[in-house]
Amino acid sequence: TQLLEQSPQFLSIQEGENLTVYCNSSSVFSSLQWYRQEPGEGPVLLVTVVTGGEVKKLKRLTFQFGDARKDSSLHITAAQPGDTGLYLCAGAVWDDYKLSFGAGTTVTVRA
Amino acid sequence: DAMVIQNPRYQVTQFGKPVTLSCSQTLNHNVMYWYQQKSSQAPKLLFHYYDKDFNNEADTPDNFQSRRPNTSFCFLDIRSPGLGDAAMYLCATSRGGDYGYTFGSGTRLTVV
Repeated sequence: TQLLEQSPQFLSIQEGENLTVYCNSSSVFSSLQWYRQEPGEGPVLLVTVVTGGEVKKLKRLTFQFGDARKDSSLHITAAQPGDTGLYLCAGAVWDDYKLSFGAGTTVTVRA
Repeated sequence: DAMVIQNPRYQVTQFGKPVTLSCSQTLNHNVMYWYQQKSSQAPKLLFHYYDKDFNNEADTPDNFQSRRPNTSFCFLDIRSPGLGDAAMYLCATSRGGDYGYTFGSGTRLTVV
């Protein structure tokens, strides 16, 4: 499996602030995915980005896939307490059924 | 709704007493995975099935076994649980890596 590095590891912000989480690798991926996991639950797929340079928006969340298909970012605008959770990026490689997961970013949004 | 269901949600077992966790899916996905997750860390892949083909990760302890009797069900057997095996166990399904995973809600295992 390929190594994915997420930063920062922890992020604590006030409601209404913006935040960005980064996911970087030296490997090329066919797609990158972002998951959010709430305490005591399984991760839930937020988005899959498949084209280099692609930008996807999901309400207040913006996801970007790097041109070289090695990195991705997640930006949240005007964060809300409901955005609190563990954010995981995961990379897929062509013809492989396994994902490589980053170590995760724990986001806490204070009311 | 199509989904992945894990049972039980919480399992308490005694040190050394065999335990089985179950996972079922209504998505008809070919691939099923078992992950171990500790303390807000990234999930760690234990093994996966493509249909009935079993694929074990090199660093998965022999203490962990799995069965997939049919497309819908997959089981994780821990033969002799140790204190270090206490964790959240996640089942996931997929049609392939690029399609993303659908995870179950997990089973929280406590070893006493």
